[in-house]
Order: sequence, then C-alpha cells, then structure tokens
Amino acid sequence: DQQVKQNSPSLSVQEGRISILNCDYTNSMFDYFLWYKKYPAEGPTFLISISSIKDKNEDGRFTVFLNKSAKHLSLHIVPSQPGDSAVYFCAASALGTYKYIFGTGTRLKVLA
Amino acid sequence: NAGVTQTPKFRVLKTGQSMTLLCAQDMNHEYMYWYRQDPGMGLRLIHYSVGEGTTAKGEVPDGYNVSRLKKQNFLLGLESAAPSQTSVYFCASSYSRLAVIADFEQFFGPGTRLTVL
Repeated sequence: DQQVKQNSPSLSVQEGRISILNCDYTNSMFDYFLWYKKYPAEGPTFLISISSIKDKNEDGRFTVFLNKSAKHLSLHIVPSQPGDSAVYFCAASALGTYKYIFGTGTRLKVLA
Repeated sequence: NAGVTQTPKFRVLKTGQSMTLLCAQDMNHEYMYWYRQDPGMGLRLIHYSVGEGTTAKGEVPDGYNVSRLKKQNFLLGLESAAPSQTSVYFCASSYSRLAVIADFEQFFGPGTRLTVL
C-alpha cells in the first residue's frame, strides 16, 4: 500500500518556465511533508518542507503548496534552470511514528 | 563538519557472503535510518533507530540486521547476501521530532552501491 504517491515518473520543462511536481498521500495522520532533490550517484538533499498547519511555504525559487482536504502537495520551481534537472522525492511523516515515507520520485529535466 | 558518511562506497559480494555497512554522523542527531533505493521503488526504509542502543524495523527488514552501539554510528549487516539485495543503500539521520527546532529534515549520506552475484 503506497501511502505517498508521485504519479508522474518524469517531467520535461523549458528553461525559464515553471516546473510543477505533484505528490498525493493517503494517510490523514501525516503532519509534516518534505521535498528532496537527488542527483545521480549522490544522496538526496533536502529542498523544502511544510507543516500541516500551513498551506504554503516559499524558499527562493521553490514553493510548496499543501491541500489537506485533497491530501495533495505540489512543488513549484520558478523559473526552472538546467541545474534543477534531478529526481525529486516527496516524503511525509506523522508525529510519533519517527518514520518518513517516500514517494517513488519524479525525474525532472529542464531543457536549455 | 562531514555530515553523514558511509563506507564503503561500492561493494560486490557473492551469494551467501556477509558484510557490514557503516554509517557515521557528526551532527548529534538522535534518529538514524537505513534505506534502499531500487529503480521505480523510491526509497524504502529497512531499519531505523531513535537513539543509542535502540533499533526498529522499517518496511523491508528481512535479511538485514542493525546495531546502534554509539549515537554517531549506525551499522547495517547482511548475514547471507542474496541477489535480491543488490541495491543502493542510503543512511540518513535527523533530529527528534520532539526537538524544538523548525525543520526535521533527514540528512543523507552519499550511498553504497552493492551488487550481489
């Protein structure tokens, strides 16, 4: 049972345009969500997070939106740059469980 | 500040051999985790630890054992390697979610690529 789903395995976007990566979850107990970026042959690196008490969090070119009623979050990258080309994972956590559940990832390719 | 380090980076084993993967962190994190990453499967949690001397099973614990004798180290053992354990293994660490800080992200090591023939 996949509790965190990233239904788009890949996404291609032109440089300068907006990239939107989506993530859905099924467990209503999740209260903290994170996005990670992963380059080949490296470990994932933290990008941005959001608590369930918020519906938006921004950090520079990256914004995460949370829609609790739809159990959906999205990561917006504006403007997209070639260096953003990587695999993006969303992850979710519920207070008291100590664990993070990861989605299967979306490979973003930003075309110059 | 090295963050999270993993040794070795690469390893090839024959079926039935044993090995230990070492993870070390210098951030004084309470929590440590072992994941495996396989194509199309994302990151799956093998075992985790919420403090020195504690361990717990994750989603895919079979065939693996772990120990956390020191707060900064988390060891993952394969007693009898199988081809199904061919994967990339990532260690991660984080603060406790009970800590009064803003972010609870996990910090990952660079990974160990293991091939079992």
